[in-house]
Amino acid sequence: AQKITQTQPGMFVQEKEAVTLDCTYDTSDPSYGLFWYKQPSSGEMIFLIYQGSYDQQNATEGRYSLNFQKARKSANLVISASQLGDSAMYFCAMRERGSQGNLIFGKGTKLSVKP
Amino acid sequence: NAGVTQTPKFRVLKTGQSMTLLCAQDMNHEYMYWYRQDPGMGLRLIHYSVGEGTTAKGEVPDGYNVSRLKKQNFLLGLESAAPSQTSVYFCASSWDAGRTGELFFGEGSRLTVL
Repeated sequence: AQKITQTQPGMFVQEKEAVTLDCTYDTSDPSYGLFWYKQPSSGEMIFLIYQGSYDQQNATEGRYSLNFQKARKSANLVISASQLGDSAMYFCAMRERGSQGNLIFGKGTKLSVKP
Repeated sequence: NAGVTQTPKFRVLKTGQSMTLLCAQDMNHEYMYWYRQDPGMGLRLIHYSVGEGTTAKGEVPDGYNVSRLKKQNFLLGLESAAPSQTSVYFCASSWDAGRTGELFFGEGSRLTVL
């Protein structure tokens, strides 16, 4: 079974609108971390946001926020006020306790922002 | 501020040839990782290291070897390249293997095996 599932291979959003990228995860470990990375067409992996399993508040970083629903094992990324530069692949990833720091990645969602 | 540097950035090999990818980080991180990225597959862990002199297998280790002789360097070797190893390879490092501590990635190395 996949540990990280991103069900949207591709999405379109109009510039200046908000968009939600879905991510569900599967773990029996009560202690875990969830990460989102952006990969633009240039190829580098850019860290966006982190949410810990014990964190009470949803994480926010500028225009990025993480909608963390622990009971549903969901960690959706919300991008507000989309910009053309947000067009990229977005990867959800999870780190479990005892994983020696390794991140398990989903297959990604390609976001395209339309002018 | 170099961060994580991978060399080479691009390489074309013939089947059966060998090569080494070098990853260097200047952040004094203990943990280093090699991933491969294939279309539609996300990133998959090949090998990793939790400190100088240590290495361990990840999810897809077959056909690869690694070494971590110095803390700042993590080498990925292909002894006899196969077309199935055509991929983009990413090195990453981290200061923390706990729940927090993001991975810092290199820019990637695109390898084509003919």
